[in-house]
Amino acid sequence: QVQLVQSGAEVKKPGASVRVSCKVSGYTLRELSMHWVRQAPGKGLEWMGGFDPEDGKIVYAQKFQGRVTMTEDTSTDTAYMELTSLRSEDTAVYYCTCHLGAGLLIWFESWGQGTLVTVSS
Amino acid sequence: EIVMTQSPATLSVSPGQRATLSCRASQSVSSNLAWYQQKPGQAPRLLIYYASTRATGIPARFSGSGSGTDFTLTISSLQSEDFAIYYCQQYNNWPPWTFGQGTKVEIK
Repeated sequence: QVQLVQSGAEVKKPGASVRVSCKVSGYTLRELSMHWVRQAPGKGLEWMGGFDPEDGKIVYAQKFQGRVTMTEDTSTDTAYMELTSLRSEDTAVYYCTCHLGAGLLIWFESWGQGTLVTVSS
Repeated sequence: EIVMTQSPATLSVSPGQRATLSCRASQSVSSNLAWYQQKPGQAPRLLIYYASTRATGIPARFSGSGSGTDFTLTISSLQSEDFAIYYCQQYNNWPPWTFGQGTKVEIK
């Protein structure tokens, strides 16, 4: 059973950056395809980016290109998502989520508890 | 990008009754569709993948069907803990991985 534990809530001012961490246990990061999904208040789920199993790289949603960076530290089995140039519309709960295994078809089996990021002046 | 459309937006059902939720893809996703349940203040939970395979620990009252562009999630006899929002997600054509906008199942 994969467990994902995320860092705590953040409050940021517009224009700032935020980094959210996601600690993996039960498996190693190398065994997972890690992705990030966000959910604005009262809204649905929005995929932000994650591991592309076809080329082995991290791919981002076009909407976030240039503002988001997802990294992985395999020595600590921790994934990170950094979002820059924050604006009020980025206020949301950010989830890490993963698929176990190396296949090309990825559904999201395990989810972190979510990290609320509030952007407010 | 494949657009996923769920209907209805809200479904009012009495406990013990059947609930039928729909999800339509803008183009074929074969059987590469998952369903998730989300309760207030909680992370989503995987219910179904490959359109009809229940995830580990998911009760048999949840069933999925469909292929191509039209999919259905059926909850055969609603329990109190089943009142939640349900999302479908396609993983056939990516990036991006895309979700429907959700169906809220509420108590009638």
